[in-house]
Amino acid sequence: EADIYQTPRYLVIGTGKKITLECSQTMGHDKMYWYQQDPGMELHLIHYSYGVNSTEKGDLSSESTVSRIRTEHFPLTLESARPSHTSQYLCASSAGTGGNEQFFGPGTRLTVL
Amino acid sequence: GENVEQHPSTLSVQEGDSAVIKCTYSDSASNYFPWYKQELGKRPQLIIDIRSNVGEKKDQRIAVTLNKTAKHFSLHITETQPEDSAVYFCAATLRGLTGGGNKLTFGTGTQLKVEL
Repeated sequence: EADIYQTPRYLVIGTGKKITLECSQTMGHDKMYWYQQDPGMELHLIHYSYGVNSTEKGDLSSESTVSRIRTEHFPLTLESARPSHTSQYLCASSAGTGGNEQFFGPGTRLTVL
Repeated sequence: GENVEQHPSTLSVQEGDSAVIKCTYSDSASNYFPWYKQELGKRPQLIIDIRSNVGEKKDQRIAVTLNKTAKHFSLHITETQPEDSAVYFCAATLRGLTGGGNKLTFGTGTQLKVEL
């Protein structure tokens, strides 16, 4: 079934650790996005990609980095986690042409102690 | 860049009443305006959208209106039910000539509570 997958779903980690949040989609979409969201609050775009080897920073300044080596995979990395990074991270994707809808993954809830 | 403002931040209605959520946008070039619903603990999902060449769109109990001149658009939910309780986000973007989704600028969200 076509969907967006995020792993891990929950992560508790200590300050200073390096972490990678995984996002994969089987939707066949060209465009992918990362959002940061505190529960029930505003969605902040932190990174996006319109295709392989193309990445852009979003509207919210973030200390994370992303890569897009394969169409279906868009991982987000934090080199040194801090308590201020505690939040939910949502991955999304949309088609390159035709439909406009963004489809969201289930999210990764990150807690940095 | 685009800026989207959304009001109210919280809205409480009685079951069966109507609910209206309003958004304004700043970039007159924006031409696609979706609305997403996010239930507690779930991912956001598209419920309705409108393009700038249309003034109103309906889907059962949900409707969206767009005023390009004033740069504002609204979500209308009629005959509200408890399952309508969720956070609703409006968004705006410039849709390319070939279609396809582009990055969205979201509003700050409205927590809708439908009381029995």
